[in-house]
Amino acid sequence: GAVVSQHPSRVICKSGTSVKIECRSLDFQATTMFWYRQFPKQSLMLMATSNEGSKATYEQGVEKDKFLINHASLTLSTLTVTSAHPEDSSFYICSARGPAHNSPLHFGNGTRLTVT
Amino acid sequence: EDQVTQSPEALRLQEGESSSLNCSYTVSGLRGLFWYRQDPGKGPEFLFTLYSAGEEKEKERLKATLTKKESFLHITAPKPEDSATYLCAVQAKAGNNRKLIWGLGTSLAVNP
Repeated sequence: GAVVSQHPSRVICKSGTSVKIECRSLDFQATTMFWYRQFPKQSLMLMATSNEGSKATYEQGVEKDKFLINHASLTLSTLTVTSAHPEDSSFYICSARGPAHNSPLHFGNGTRLTVT
Repeated sequence: EDQVTQSPEALRLQEGESSSLNCSYTVSGLRGLFWYRQDPGKGPEFLFTLYSAGEEKEKERLKATLTKKESFLHITAPKPEDSATYLCAVQAKAGNNRKLIWGLGTSLAVNP
């Protein structure tokens, strides 16, 4: 149980284009999902908390107009990287807390974004 | 300031050579400590949650322990398939803040 699916697993795009990443909770409902970014040799960095039916909460230093988050249903959150630039190239991972009390975070398999 | 430090940064073992990974933490009231395994190019996979000092959890060749200052992930007779990065994270009790504080991980390589 508590499976999180993320798509696509990798994407290459040209500078200036936008890219959408989907995160789905497959066997449970997630009112809250979390979006992380991971650079090589660095710890997971929380970018934003996605709340179903309301605005996302962004961490300090994360541009909300650059990283658009939509959480329109209890099983789907999307992250759109707008007007991507090479410095946005990274590994993006979503997660959701499982349905049981005190459930840990379960992660998707990540999306490797390369902006050329 | 809440902080998580993992050591060593990298560890190379021979198959069958048991060892331990360390996660030292400082947090204003521990709500939970989490261990994850991450394979290259994949998201972290949940292993254990520990809530209070003295608690231990086991899964196959892995055993996690917790004190008031640190956690150990003991790997007994590791196999090559145990090669991965092991991540530790803590969650503080502070109000409704459920944000996890992550360590940098220990990269484990087990040679056959």
